Amino acid sequence: GAVVSQHPSWVICKSGTSVKIECRSLDFQATTMFWYRQFPKQSLMLMATSNEGSKATYEQGVEKDKFLINHASLTLSTLTVTSAHPEDSSFYICSARETVNTEAFFGQGTRLTVV
Amino acid sequence: AQTVTQSQPEMSVQEAETVTLSCTYDTSENNYYLFWYKQPPSRQMILVIRQEAYKQQNATENRFSVNFQKAAKSFSLKISDSQLGDTAMYFCAFTFSGSRLTFGEGTQLTVNP
Repeated sequence: GAVVSQHPSWVICKSGTSVKIECRSLDFQATTMFWYRQFPKQSLMLMATSNEGSKATYEQGVEKDKFLINHASLTLSTLTVTSAHPEDSSFYICSARETVNTEAFFGQGTRLTVV
Repeated sequence: AQTVTQSQPEMSVQEAETVTLSCTYDTSENNYYLFWYKQPPSRQMILVIRQEAYKQQNATENRFSVNFQKAAKSFSLKISDSQLGDTAMYFCAFTFSGSRLTFGEGTQLTVNP
């Protein structure tokens, strides 16, 4: 299957700082990328959907000013957690899809710990 | 709104035996796609198998096969000859017309030696 690379795989940051997570599609052009948050032993919770060159569409309850998403190219999307707090600690996963009729492939995930 | 339900939070199976994971969904769409994803302890999401709703034939990928019952809106996953490496969380997922994936709650499968 197609390869989606997410970086970093884990990060520890201090409360109040910002953290950027990158999601790259390595062998295809991703017209759409998705960002998820996953708590332990729970399902994936969609945070936002981003289409290349457009503003991201956020799910209800997700603060767009806190979770900044940029999808500036067909192979790269970034999620920036601004002014991170301990409650933002979680596992964040991106996925990328080439067209509306192809399956989405997932990055390896990023474990964020805010101390 | 689309919903996906996995009614088995946990399941276990002996190595080399067969296990079936259940999934039901609700939608008013006619053309859609169903998936089973596997999430091992590494937490990497891995696509196991996909099924197009317009296809009557059940999808098969080596030891993995599905029982797709469109009228009943059921999409179960059968794992044959279970292996220790099959231990993972399994998620059933649904999408249509390029919409986002809707996931079930997941089933934690443990394969015992």
